[in-house]
Amino acid sequence: EVQLVESGGSLVQPGGSLKLSCVASGFTFSNYWMDWVRQTPGKSLEWIGEINTDGSKTNYAPSIKDRFTISRDNAKSTLYLQMSNVKSDDTAIYYCTRTGSWGQGVMVTVSS
Amino acid sequence: DVVLTQTPVAQPVTLGDQASISCRSSQSLVHSNGNTYLEWYLQKPGQSPQLLIYKVSNRFSGVPDRFIGSGSGSDFTLKISRVEPEDLGVYYCFQATHDPYTFGAGTKLELK
Repeated sequence: EVQLVESGGSLVQPGGSLKLSCVASGFTFSNYWMDWVRQTPGKSLEWIGEINTDGSKTNYAPSIKDRFTISRDNAKSTLYLQMSNVKSDDTAIYYCTRTGSWGQGVMVTVSS
Repeated sequence: DVVLTQTPVAQPVTLGDQASISCRSSQSLVHSNGNTYLEWYLQKPGQSPQLLIYKVSNRFSGVPDRFIGSGSGSDFTLKISRVEPEDLGVYYCFQATHDPYTFGAGTKLELK
């Protein structure tokens, strides 16, 4: 069974940093592109970015480009989202996804 | 960015009826490789979104055949025949043809 388990969410101050992790199991992680998607308190979904199978290529949404970095460790079957210079608009549930599967999400709250 | 406009915002239904949701794109979703990367998701209350349809009309593994995706270019429809209680929730269309990928605002399928 495919499982994606996110962790690392918390309360962070504006301008701060946070790193989210997503541990994958039940499939060959290194064979799949992976994405991050977030859902704001207003409930809309926003695609954040993606990373290719070996981590050599990433693609980001303009709203987070130059502030967030997606990376992966295939040996650990783990996907990461490094968030820097966070803003209140970054408050959301963050989901790790691959084709057909989503994690349960992790909450990030940006507030002073 | 590509804007996906979903209508209606809410769709009241009676169990056993058919429901139809429209998703219109601000530009054609035909990729240069000939594929159209239009997907449909359902988010049930308290859960992560789940993939129903990919590439316009292909049902994901385990999705009942009462879910039918159709359309082309910039105009797409999801039909749900014989609505069942487990079909209630918010439906989102999503395009992965043009960077950045984008979601529609959602259509809530609810009981009359």
